[in-house]
Amino acid sequence: DGGITQSPKYLFRKEGQNVTLSCEQNLNHDAMYWYRQDPGQGLRLIYYSQIVNDFQKGDIAEGYSVSREKKESFPLTVTSAQKNPTAFYLCASSMGHSGNTIYFGEGSWLTVV
Amino acid sequence: AQSVTQPDIHITVSEGASLELRCNYSYGATPYLFWYVQSPGQGLQLLLKYFSGDTLVQGIKGFEAEFKRSQSSFNLRKPSVHWSDAAEYFCAVVPKAAGNKLTFGGGTRVLVKP
Repeated sequence: DGGITQSPKYLFRKEGQNVTLSCEQNLNHDAMYWYRQDPGQGLRLIYYSQIVNDFQKGDIAEGYSVSREKKESFPLTVTSAQKNPTAFYLCASSMGHSGNTIYFGEGSWLTVV
Repeated sequence: AQSVTQPDIHITVSEGASLELRCNYSYGATPYLFWYVQSPGQGLQLLLKYFSGDTLVQGIKGFEAEFKRSQSSFNLRKPSVHWSDAAEYFCAVVPKAAGNKLTFGGGTRVLVKP
């Protein structure tokens, strides 16, 4: 089935450690996105990529990094510089052109312990 | 400033009753408009979207939304809610000619009473 796969679903990290969240899509979408969701709040854009080997910062990029080496993959690294990383992270993808529907994965819960 | 506002944080509705969720936006030109639904701990599912044309848009699960340019609103409605409609609903916009980045409202959590 086509879709967006995020892994792991749940992740615990010790303070000071980097962690990488995986996002893979088989929809042949050009654009991919990472959003962060805090309890009771809307989603905020972290990074997005419109084509392979290119990505741009979103509204809250500090403390995060991404790569886009393959069209189907857009991993997110939460670095130790991120002050408050505990959140629900959602990956998304679309055909890239303005107004095309953006589809979401099932999300990854990250908890810092 | 450009923004998307959902004035109601929580709404409680009885099963079988009608539901209306409000969404207002503040952009220079009418953006592309979307409604998504999120069940607890899950990703987001698109309910419907408005790009242009007929201002009354039909979506999945019996939902519809009406675009009103004069009020900068895109309210979501359902004539008769089911217990399975309990979820969080997000209004989102993509400004035209600004890439394809969604900007979300804060969400409205819907509780359904038996």
